[in-house]
Order: sequence, then C-alpha cells, then structure tokens
Amino acid sequence: SAVISQKPSRDICQRGTSLTIQCQVDSQVTMMFWYRQQPGQSLTLIATANQGSEATYESGFVIDKFPISRPNLTFSTLTVSNMSPEDSSIYLCSAEGPLAGGTNTGELFFGEGSRLTVL
Amino acid sequence: DQQVKQNSPSLSVQEGRISILNCDYTNSMFDYFLWYKKYPAEGPTFLISISSIKDKNEDGRFTVFLNKSAKHLSLHIVPSQPGDSAVYFCAAGGTSYGKLTFGQGTILTVHP
Repeated sequence: SAVISQKPSRDICQRGTSLTIQCQVDSQVTMMFWYRQQPGQSLTLIATANQGSEATYESGFVIDKFPISRPNLTFSTLTVSNMSPEDSSIYLCSAEGPLAGGTNTGELFFGEGSRLTVL
Repeated sequence: DQQVKQNSPSLSVQEGRISILNCDYTNSMFDYFLWYKKYPAEGPTFLISISSIKDKNEDGRFTVFLNKSAKHLSLHIVPSQPGDSAVYFCAAGGTSYGKLTFGQGTILTVHP
C-alpha cells in the first residue's frame, strides 16, 4: 500500500483568501486524485492530478477555483481559491497502489484529509 | 443523481454479533466495488473489494456480497468488535479509470 501525507491537516481561513494543500506519497504512483467531503456528505471527486500535464476536472469543478499541480510521481498540490464558507470541507488526496510490485485492483489509498473552515 | 446509495445512516450492534451494512447502486457500468472504513480525523481506509464477476469475497471477519441483478452489495462483519465502530463507505468503480463513486456512509457503533 501507499502512505499518503497531507498538510495542513486543518486550517481556518478568511473569506476571499486562497489556501494550498500539499500531498506527498511515499512511493511513485501513476494516478493521484483529489476528493472533497462536505459536511454530512459523501466523498466527491474533484479532479485527477496528471503528472506533467493539466489536471482533469469532474463536472462542477473548474481549474480557476481548484488549480492543481503534479510536478512528479510522488507529489501534488490543490489550491482552493477565493474561498467562501461553502468551501468548508475535508479535502482528501488519494492515489492508486505503488507502481512497483503489486497489481492494481482498483482500490485507492487516502491521506488523512485537510479540514478547511472558511469564515 | 446519487449513483451509489447507503440508505441506513447508522447501525448499532452488540459486540460479538453480526453487522450488516448495505449499499445499492444504479449504474450497470460499475465493474468493481469497495468498502472503506473511516475514523474521525483520519482518511478512509480500504477494507475489501469485489469484482462484478464474483458474488462473494471474504477476508477474515469481513465478507462482501454482490447481487448484480438487484444492484445491491452488503458488507458482513462477524464477529463485530468495538474497534469496528466507524463510518463505512461503499464505493463503485469502472466507469472511468481511477474514479470511485462513493455512498453517503453508514455510522456503525458496536457496543461492548
């Protein structure tokens, strides 16, 4: 399995500001994803972070609001831009299993999440 | 459009008994299904999965059953332990590489 670390683990932000969340995986992975869990809701995929190219966004999410970087096979960032109280959520980084050794059976591994509260 | 549904928001079970968590889906393009467990302030942890070509998969105390005709899956935990108390999410994949669609979660409480 892959170990995924996120920071910050939580933050309180002011309306109109932006915050960047970092995600580090302990091994090289092909696919990295960013999910959001709003209060009382399920996990929703924001985008796929593609290494070396622009992220692929799901319906309802746009690059201007959630710019994503993926400079290499172990690291990605998600920025939540121009935040409003509606952006208060847990943001989760996830990845497939490691490239080396092991088969991809479809499961994703998740970081511990970054809980953002926007005032 | 909620493609994966967990209709029970919570479940309470006595230690040692069986816990049965249910999940329904609508999209027949899903070809694998997973269960995740989530403790507060932690990310979801993968528990067990099942491919659509199977109807049962077992791993220790955890068994997942899939009924494709009914578009229904369930997770059985036997025997239940207090440490199993957590939120359980079912998820489905296969429509798009790497993308999982999650249910709303069921809070399981196992009483000593």
